[in-house]
Amino acid sequence: AQSVTQPDIHITVSEGASLELRCNYSYGATPYLFWYVQSPGQGLQLLLKYFSGDTLVQGIKGFEAEFKRSQSSFNLRKPSVHWSDAAEYFCAVGPPHRGNEKLTFGTGTRLTIIP
Amino acid sequence: GAVVSQHPSRVICKSGTSVKIECRSLDFQATTMFWYRQFPKQSLMLMATSNEGSKATYEQGVEKDKFLINHASLTLSTLTVTSAHPEDSSFYICSARFRDEQFFGPGTRLTVL
Repeated sequence: AQSVTQPDIHITVSEGASLELRCNYSYGATPYLFWYVQSPGQGLQLLLKYFSGDTLVQGIKGFEAEFKRSQSSFNLRKPSVHWSDAAEYFCAVGPPHRGNEKLTFGTGTRLTIIP
Repeated sequence: GAVVSQHPSRVICKSGTSVKIECRSLDFQATTMFWYRQFPKQSLMLMATSNEGSKATYEQGVEKDKFLINHASLTLSTLTVTSAHPEDSSFYICSARFRDEQFFGPGTRLTVL
């Protein structure tokens, strides 16, 4: 069965510092990979996705993620965080070739930004 | 574009009553919608896939008679929690599929007393 692991429950970084959120997955084949952000009281917003091709994908709000097949990882990065980036971040996987269906989510990483 | 709304955002009910949650795609038509449940500090768990004009597909372990899903139009899916109990208290989130992406609603916080 597929699974997603986000080993960091909570991360605190200073505003302007770089950020990396970890995501590892277990899947029978290379899945579709996603990062979502959830602000309090709001729905999930897609930051970026990987289906195939270039393993470094760019997303919205200055985020990027790199797919590493050998490590079954899809870590999210941002070179300089802003206070508005404070939120909950979810990594998710979906079945390949079936678009965006039956997503399996990680447990999330809560990001706190300090001035 | 691609906005999904949920109503209500919060609901408190007594044990034994039924609660209906609506999920609407506001600016697109969605033949497929999804219902998730999120416990505090935990991940989103897919409960069921709602298909317009047909029966919903439930994930293993989800009671279909407990969580009734109706997708009567291309813009509306409803989740009814029947005979709710305190253990049904949770955050329920819907999403609607549009092209190759799921767009999520803001969620509904259900508290059963």
